[in-house]
Amino acid sequence: EPEVTQTPSHQVTQMGQEVILRCVPISNHLYFYWYRQILGQKVEFLVSFYNNEISEKSEIFDDQFSVERPDGSNFTLKIRSTKLEDSAMYFCASSEGPPGGSGGYEQYFGPGTRLTVT
Amino acid sequence: AQTVTQSQPEMSVQEAETVTLSCTYDTSESDYYLFWYKQPPSRQMILVIRQEAYKQQNATENRFSVNFQKAAKSFSLKISDSQLGDAAMYFCAYRSGGNRDDKIIFGKGTRLHILP
Repeated sequence: EPEVTQTPSHQVTQMGQEVILRCVPISNHLYFYWYRQILGQKVEFLVSFYNNEISEKSEIFDDQFSVERPDGSNFTLKIRSTKLEDSAMYFCASSEGPPGGSGGYEQYFGPGTRLTVT
Repeated sequence: AQTVTQSQPEMSVQEAETVTLSCTYDTSESDYYLFWYKQPPSRQMILVIRQEAYKQQNATENRFSVNFQKAAKSFSLKISDSQLGDAAMYFCAYRSGGNRDDKIIFGKGTRLHILP
């Protein structure tokens, strides 16, 4: 069964450094998402991406964050200058079609990347 | 704004018994989806079950079933014949049915312990 993959599984970085988290969505999916989960807390939406542009972003997704689909398979989340509070599990998700209408397509989650900022 | 509330931070159940996890939500929308996700210690998010708001029939998936009370905005998960592998964090989640707003909104989770 196709699945969303994420690399690396664990990333340790120093405060102020740039990190890029990588995701390979399911191949025929067109809608892409990033969520994060600070340890012990709930999962929070960061950004959705469709047709090479951001569809929606949350308040968390400030100027330090950016997303990109550099080629036909990868979807990346970049944090420009990491802070201690960016330490979290970051989940990528993808969906075949739009959420509404008759399809109501599912979002499939990757296994996550644990980011530790020291 | 939509919210999802899980009032039980932790629950325990004896193996082979039945347990019900509670969830309430708040929305002014009529078209939406509700989900239960399981997060084992590996922290992978696994979809357990989903319910379309327009469907009156409660969703079931093997040992997992929901009690969807639309008027009360309640969406509980029942796990029958609990197994050790069911031990995990369970998140109730909401998503709008409209095309423009497709983010998933999660509750804070309920940690389920299975007692052998």
